Amino acid sequence: GENVEQHPSTLSVQEGDSAVIKCTYSDSASNYFPWYKQELGKRPQLIIDIRSNVGEKKDQRIAVTLNKTAKHFSLHITETQPEDSAVYFCAASYNFGNEKLTFGTGTRLTIIP
Amino acid sequence: EAGVAQSPRYKIIEKRQSVAFWCNPISGHATLYWYQQILGQGPKLLIQFQNNGVVDDSQLPKDRFSAERLKGVDSTLKIQPAKLEDSAVYLCASSLGGTVKNIQYFGAGTRLSVL
Repeated sequence: GENVEQHPSTLSVQEGDSAVIKCTYSDSASNYFPWYKQELGKRPQLIIDIRSNVGEKKDQRIAVTLNKTAKHFSLHITETQPEDSAVYFCAASYNFGNEKLTFGTGTRLTIIP
Repeated sequence: EAGVAQSPRYKIIEKRQSVAFWCNPISGHATLYWYQQILGQGPKLLIQFQNNGVVDDSQLPKDRFSAERLKGVDSTLKIQPAKLEDSAVYLCASSLGGTVKNIQYFGAGTRLSVL
């Protein structure tokens, strides 16, 4: 089965700086890679996703890059703001998300004002 | 659009007791998932339904966990009897299913504490 590793487990950055979270996956058949943001006590919410036929996707201050050969993908947040503080989870799925998501262990991001 | 609804939000039980969780997916979503999220970890799939049929229950501890989705809408997840290691947040998610990109939407979860 799929295995997803995520690093770092905690990350603190100054407000306005950039944050990068990295994930690797094991199964080359995975083709859908979402990122979820989970604030304390709240539901995971999708912030961005990417399919395997795309190398990069950007949505305002958030971007995701995918390297299929190396089997890793990364989340980039620029111009960080206090409201970006949360736990971020990467995930991988077969069949473009029509099957289960295998999640990483999460990164706790803290933005320092 | 209404989100995925779950109840109760919190539950405290003693080990060996039984507990049930309820999920109402987003209207029209054919696929429903139950995930277990242990503190400090990512969610792990327990069971996936497509309408009222089971697609994947390979990680469901079937000796104590059961789930059903009668009529292909609401779902219940039951634990009987509970163990200390079942303490976790149980997340329900739903998706349209069968699309070229199947986004899973999560409920707020039920936090279970087993004492």
